[in-house]
Parts: sequence; structure tokens; C-alpha cells
Amino acid sequence: EVQLVESGGGLVQPGGSLRLSCAASGFTFSSYDMHWVRQATGKGLEWVSAIGTAGDTYYPGSVKGRFTISRENAKNSLYLQMNSLRAGDTAVYYCARGRVDVDTSWFDPWGQGTLVTVSS
Amino acid sequence: SSELTQDPAVSVALGQTVRITCQGDSLRSYYASWYQQKPGQAPVLVIYGKNNRPSGIPDRFSGSSSGNTASLTITGAQAEDEADYYCNSRDSSGNHPQFGGGTKLTVL
Repeated sequence: EVQLVESGGGLVQPGGSLRLSCAASGFTFSSYDMHWVRQATGKGLEWVSAIGTAGDTYYPGSVKGRFTISRENAKNSLYLQMNSLRAGDTAVYYCARGRVDVDTSWFDPWGQGTLVTVSS
Repeated sequence: SSELTQDPAVSVALGQTVRITCQGDSLRSYYASWYQQKPGQAPVLVIYGKNNRPSGIPDRFSGSSSGNTASLTITGAQAEDEADYYCNSRDSSGNHPQFGGGTKLTVL
């Protein structure tokens, strides 16, 4: 069974740091792009970062320079290092496996999510 | 703000057909993918590409695209289809994924 399990969420003060982890199983982790997507309470989905099979990384402007995505293929693990956290970063963070075709892309499956709360 | 626009809410009578739409310039070049999210749960992929359903997704779910608009159609909506639905595609530069704001589907 293909499965993604996130961990590492919690309460952190503004300006603080947190590292999220995502453990993958049931597929050849090294062969897939991986993503982080977040969702603030009652809000929509927001793409946060991506890492390709070659280790190339991508970020939206809202987190670029503060968040770092990485992977450790030997451990089938994905990470998100979050620095300089702000109240606006409060959300459930999901990891998701990415797929790309010529004219489309999609995320499947998704983990169950881990809650990050940035508050003093 | 999202470059993919969805109606915030749509309702459908039980057993009837409903179409959920997603508009954006990138949809002229890329097919959307669609996700169903029920309260307290992670999103689930229901449609990707031109009109592909992952294993386990009922065939009452279908996708289509025309111009700058992608559509998710549920033919014969069931009570269990009540959920939030999100479209996803690339942004206008084609470099980054982007989600629509989501549509809350109510089955009456």
C-alpha cells in the first residue's frame, strides 16, 4: 500500500523554526517528485514546495528564502525545514507524491497532515 | 490570490448531475486535476489529465475541459459526495502548481 505519514508539527513562537518529516512506503520513493501543500483552518489548499528526483527544488514567493525542502532517498523520507515562521504559516501541512505528464500534473497520494501552529 | 477561479459553493439534489468548474488562463495549456476533501480528512485525487480516474474512484466522476475552463461532473450525486472540491493546474508561467479556491458541494 502506498502511504505517506507526516510528523514534526507543533506549536512554535513567531520567528522560530520547525522541521517536518514525511515517511514514504509502498513505492520507489527516489523515482518520484515530492511536494508539501498546506491548508490553514477553513481555507483552501496552498502549494508550499517541491523537490524533483534529482534534488531540484521549487518554492512559491510566500515561503522562498524561509523554507527548505529536502529528501533522503535511503530513508524514504521527505523533509521541510521552516525558519522565520509567521502567524500566517499556521496550517495543516500535507506531503504528497507528484506526477507529471506532458500536459498535466497531479498529486497522489497525500499524507494525513501535521498541524503547525505559530503563536506566542 | 489564486489564478484558478472556482465557485465557492454549489448544491445538487440527490441523484442529480452537478458540474463544478475551474477557470484560469493556464487551463488553455494544461489539464486540471481534481481533489475531493471531506471534513478532517486529507484531499483525495478524483480526476487527472484529460479524464482519468484513479483506481477506486466511482465512474460517476468525470472531467472535461474547454478553453480556459475545466469541469468536474458528478452524474448521479450521492450523499457521500458532499465535500470540498479543489482543482489544480500549473500557474500562468507553467512552472509551479496552483490550486483553485475550492468549491463546497452540498447534496440536498
